[in-house]
Amino acid sequence: GNSVTQMEGPVTLSEEAFLTINCTYTATGYPSLFWYVQYPGEGLQLLLKATKADDKGSNKGFEATYRKETTSFHLEKGSVQVSDSAVYFCALGRPYNTDKLIFGTGTRLQVFP
Amino acid sequence: KAGVTQTPRYLIKTRGQQVTLSCSPISGHRSVSWYQQTPGQGLQFLFEYFSETQRNKGNFPGRFSGRQFSNSRSEMNVSTLELGDSALYLCASSATGADEKLFFGSGTQLSVL
Repeated sequence: GNSVTQMEGPVTLSEEAFLTINCTYTATGYPSLFWYVQYPGEGLQLLLKATKADDKGSNKGFEATYRKETTSFHLEKGSVQVSDSAVYFCALGRPYNTDKLIFGTGTRLQVFP
Repeated sequence: KAGVTQTPRYLIKTRGQQVTLSCSPISGHRSVSWYQQTPGQGLQFLFEYFSETQRNKGNFPGRFSGRQFSNSRSEMNVSTLELGDSALYLCASSATGADEKLFFGSGTQLSVL
């Protein structure tokens, strides 16, 4: 069945460091891929998405490229800020359908000044 | 435009009791999904409702049930509570279920003693 695997955290970085959070997936067909972010005490927010191979999603300095050949959707940011500290979830879903998303276990990012 | 509202924010129950959680989606959204979030299992899909009909269901026992009202508000019920039901329950809404963007509430933190 479909599944998502994320790197375990926490990921601890200094401000302005480069961030990579790995995400790989197993799916039949051509799923849509998402990154959601959860700040402390809040629900999840959509960070970015990609709907087909080689698409690049981007938002707030974060980027992720849909790589079908490696079944990956790694999240990157060139220079993290303290305010980026949160839990990041990779997810996959059926194209153009939100009735059931499959989430990874989440990766906690801690950024120190 | 108000976001997704979940009530109550915190809930403490004892084993064997039942509980009802409420979710008010964003105005105009007709799709409501429920997820259970635990440290060990991450985010797991419970069910999704669209126009008062359950459209999809995850792999949870029958103790977990839900419904949606004509105004799109949704309730989730858990009967005969077990210790393992302690979790953050998240509700998410989308306009049609086909626009790929879920809006999450802040969740209800349920503790079963």
